[in-house]
Amino acid sequence: DAKTTQPPSMDCAEGRAANLPCNHSTISGNEYVYWYRQIHSQGPQYIIHGLKNNETNEMASLIITEDRKSSTLILPHATLRDTAVYYCIVRPDIIQGAQKLVFGQGTRLTINP
Amino acid sequence: GAGVSQSPSNKVTEKGKDVELRCDPISGHTALYWYRQSLGQGLEFLIYFQGNSAPDKSGLPSDRFSAERTGGSVSTLTIQRTQQEDSAVYLCASSRRTELFFGPGTRLTVL
Repeated sequence: DAKTTQPPSMDCAEGRAANLPCNHSTISGNEYVYWYRQIHSQGPQYIIHGLKNNETNEMASLIITEDRKSSTLILPHATLRDTAVYYCIVRPDIIQGAQKLVFGQGTRLTINP
Repeated sequence: GAGVSQSPSNKVTEKGKDVELRCDPISGHTALYWYRQSLGQGLEFLIYFQGNSAPDKSGLPSDRFSAERTGGSVSTLTIQRTQQEDSAVYLCASSRRTELFFGPGTRLTVL
């Protein structure tokens, strides 16, 4: 069962920042927040993950609230190629043993020219 | 090296036939996962392997579905007596630790 809640769809203008929210109010202390995306007709692609500190990589930034009950994925300068379904997932750290990723319905993000 | 590969990329079969789907994970990745995605739907977990053992088979929809992994590498997902509702894209992923790398999938169509 997915433990996250995301809006079903969002739109963003090309070149603007896309901010995708995720609620995970029942997250446990040892669970990380992961973000993946799936571009049409492709397999999902890892974006970023974090525990409680904000994280940034070449693709995106992840902002996690202090109580860890919600987070926001930020694509700083969205391009048309960022149009995809974005999945927010909570999962224990892999060092505890391989854990399946449970995908919810995600947010369908459309970047408009 | 190469990413996760899956074969065939497309498979069309008749109802009642058996099919085998193959996944070649990234070399050195100990964990391997199978998911399926029906048209317009989300990803449905099927099974995962840690090495050659499968600690979690909870997602296999029926006893017509089975999977094995040999040598800690290649995995085969077998569907016996296929039904039309088995039509979907079957995705394989592998990981060494944190990040899952997905293959391109096998599109299965059962007529």
